[in-house]
Amino acid sequence: EAQVTQNPRYLITVTGKKLTVTCSQNMNHEYMSWYRQDPGLGLRQIYYSMNVEVTDKGDVPEGYKVSRKEKRNFPLILESPSPNQTSLYFCASRSLAGRYNEQFFGPGTRLTVL
Amino acid sequence: KQEVTQIPAALSVPEGENLVLNCSFTDSAIYNLQWFRQDPGKGLTSLLLIQSSQREQTSGRLNASLDKSSGRSTLYIAASQPGDSATYLCAFNQAGTALIFGKGTTLSVSS
Repeated sequence: EAQVTQNPRYLITVTGKKLTVTCSQNMNHEYMSWYRQDPGLGLRQIYYSMNVEVTDKGDVPEGYKVSRKEKRNFPLILESPSPNQTSLYFCASRSLAGRYNEQFFGPGTRLTVL
Repeated sequence: KQEVTQIPAALSVPEGENLVLNCSFTDSAIYNLQWFRQDPGKGLTSLLLIQSSQREQTSGRLNASLDKSSGRSTLYIAASQPGDSATYLCAFNQAGTALIFGKGTTLSVSS
């Protein structure tokens, strides 16, 4: 089954404790991206990657890091989480073979930073 | 910068009604748009994708239209059911990568 998976699905942590949210897709997509969703603000892009070793900032990159060492994986790293990073996070992927391709989203990771 | 507005923010209807959700955008230079469904606290389910060269797409009881000249897209839901209750999001793919989302319309269908 074609899918985007994220782990963990739920995470409660404390300020300053480094964490990684994993994202993996099995569709051989070149493009992968991370979004966060907050009440009243909607979904906003954090980082994206056009292919292996190619990453770039989205609209709200502060406090986050990403890496793309393999085509299927795109982890989101919070080096020193803060309470304002409490949010619902989504990973997405799409093929770049055409400009009209739809994006596929993972199930989301609900992060709470105390 | 592209701005996406969804009206209304919330909508309550009785079961069986046909309804229209609206999405407007400010920049017509789009590649495609997607309509998503999101259940509370859950992920995004893609409902329909309309390419910029298309006018509409249909899937079951859902029909999405795109009018680039007026900067509007609509999602039509026929014969609504309680199971349709969710938040519906429209999103535009403008530069080929990032999706620009509206804030959504929360639909409640009562039985």
